[in-house]
Amino acid sequence: LAKTTQPISMDSYEGQEVNITCSHNNIATNDYITWYQQFPSQGPRFIIQGYKTKVTNEVASLFIPADRKSSTLSLPRVSLSDTAVYYCLVGRNNAGNMLTFGGGTRLMVKP
Amino acid sequence: KAGVTQTPRYLIKTRGQQVTLSCSPISGHRSVSWYQQTPGQGLQFLFEYFSETQRNKGNFPGRFSGRQFSNSRSEMNVSTLELGDSALYLCASSPGTGLSPLHFGNGTRLTVT
Repeated sequence: LAKTTQPISMDSYEGQEVNITCSHNNIATNDYITWYQQFPSQGPRFIIQGYKTKVTNEVASLFIPADRKSSTLSLPRVSLSDTAVYYCLVGRNNAGNMLTFGGGTRLMVKP
Repeated sequence: KAGVTQTPRYLIKTRGQQVTLSCSPISGHRSVSWYQQTPGQGLQFLFEYFSETQRNKGNFPGRFSGRQFSNSRSEMNVSTLELGDSALYLCASSPGTGLSPLHFGNGTRLTVT
């Protein structure tokens, strides 16, 4: 299983763009990269998923370089409500997978 | 669609007792997986069930067990509770085939005294 490494914490201010990078040197060919957001006393919530290059949805973008050994979650114009823990996962979301959560990045957005 | 429902929300047990936690997945989802979350160890995978069969298992002792029913609802059981079992237990469901993210419940907070 690919192990992931993320910064333990990050600080930002409202309105700024936040980029959180995740390292996954042992990613396998079939593995996808998925990011989750977790608020206190709640379960993680799916943000975005990708395999290579760039993926964008209504809340975030995911950048994956050609070697796929890292990925960057980009949150545009963060607000106070984006204060949460962000997890990067690497695995296959299909039959027979186990998803390994890393330690997560605690993002604090300040006014 | 209703989300993943976990019951009970909070639970206090004594060392040596056993406990059963319940998870109702999103309608139509056939895969249910369980995770333990503690401040020290983070989110750790316990096991996954798909169509009533355990498909994957994490690195936890045999005191941790689970099962899945024909309606995809799942239960996990912890026997001979230890203080270190105090944690937030999260259940997640997904269709189980193809590429799909996990949908988590809000967990059961277990405190062992």
